[in-house]
Amino acid sequence: ETGVTQSPTHLIKTRGQQVTLRCSSQSGHNTVSWYQQALGQGPQFIFQYYREEENGRGNFPPRFSGLQFPNYSSELNVNALELDDSALYLCASSLGRSIQYFGAGTRLSVL
Amino acid sequence: DQQVKQNSPSLSVQEGRISILNCDYTNSMFDYFLWYKKYPAEGPTFLISISSIKDKNEDGRFTVFLNKSAKHLSLHIVPSQPGDSAVYFCAATPGSGNTGKLIFGQGTTLQVKP
Repeated sequence: ETGVTQSPTHLIKTRGQQVTLRCSSQSGHNTVSWYQQALGQGPQFIFQYYREEENGRGNFPPRFSGLQFPNYSSELNVNALELDDSALYLCASSLGRSIQYFGAGTRLSVL
Repeated sequence: DQQVKQNSPSLSVQEGRISILNCDYTNSMFDYFLWYKKYPAEGPTFLISISSIKDKNEDGRFTVFLNKSAKHLSLHIVPSQPGDSAVYFCAATPGSGNTGKLIFGQGTTLQVKP
């Protein structure tokens, strides 16, 4: 059974660019949630996808968007990158409302 | 506003002693609470959870206590081991049961000294 995997592990972008982060959910899981963790803070909920539909969103602007595919893997897209978007982005998968299992994250640096 | 707060950024204890990590929340609608542990370069790992209908849940060396009237929960680790050294996050979920939309505290770094 493979766990949650995220790619890439590190990424450097410049302000104004767009970025796509990817997440493969754990086998058998149909729900993916994305979180942003700034340095020294706890993870902040961005949004959740359940069976390819958005199922709740945190306090993030529309330039943060996502997608979930039929195999339940997911993408997080961020447009018009800002310096404050520099953070660790975590993906978590679960079977419905069960406990979430996290990937190791993608470290995004915006210069 | 910070709905889940961990007011102690760090805690240091001796191996074999008890570690107590605290967490406060402001939203009385929170229904389900979880603790996660995070090592550097890894994602958070689930430790233990508790529903608002209970006031205590135990799993091995880990016990979580919930005081709804005080809007306070705590994680007790007994006995503490050097491998427990990590960042600990408490989290709550709004709505009924575990909705999976976790609201995290800022984390407490636990150091267990041999």
